[in-house]
Amino acid sequence: EVQILETGGGLVKPGGSLRLSCATSGFNFNDYFMNWVRQAPGKGLEWVAQIRNKNYNYATYYAESLEGRVTISRDDSKSSVYLQVSSLRAEDTAIYYCTNFDYWGQGVMVTVSS
Amino acid sequence: DIQLTQSPSSMSASLGDRVSLTCQSSQGIGNYLSWYQHKPGKPPKPMIYYATNLADGVPSRFSGSRSGSDYSLTISSLESEDTAIYYCLQYDEYPPTFGGGTKLELK
Repeated sequence: EVQILETGGGLVKPGGSLRLSCATSGFNFNDYFMNWVRQAPGKGLEWVAQIRNKNYNYATYYAESLEGRVTISRDDSKSSVYLQVSSLRAEDTAIYYCTNFDYWGQGVMVTVSS
Repeated sequence: DIQLTQSPSSMSASLGDRVSLTCQSSQGIGNYLSWYQHKPGKPPKPMIYYATNLADGVPSRFSGSRSGSDYSLTISSLESEDTAIYYCLQYDEYPPTFGGGTKLELK
């Protein structure tokens, strides 16, 4: 059974930072490109970042709206992917999903508020 | 960036109706388009991948089609559990982009 579990969300003050973690099991993690996708309250889905697998030298890609403030990384030995977000703004408030587009986690809520 | 325009933005239909949702791409993306069903409090659920392929476990009343840069998700006979927001996603070019969604409700 595929499991994807995001952790690390919560309430953060504007200007703060956080690191989201995504632990996976049940599929061949090493074969997949991994993504973070978010959904702000009342809004649609927004792709945030992608990290390719070893075959593609772990290349990373970011949404232009977040570039410079986010870093995606992965640890194949732990079948996990991470998202570091800094200089958080109110508009970063969202549910953040970890996904390879075939499988999705339940999401983790990030709230940016003073 | 490639823009995906979904229409209608919302619609209501009756049980048993045939429903078609559309996603139009601003550029050619081949068949690199997926459809997702999203219900409140749950993660998006893959429905269709590569434009026309049914994802695992998805009922056969769902189907995907393509005509040029227009992509459709069709439900042959609407059931109550199909009420949700449906999103298309293109993964042909970076950045991957989602359409704005179609909210499907029961009449």
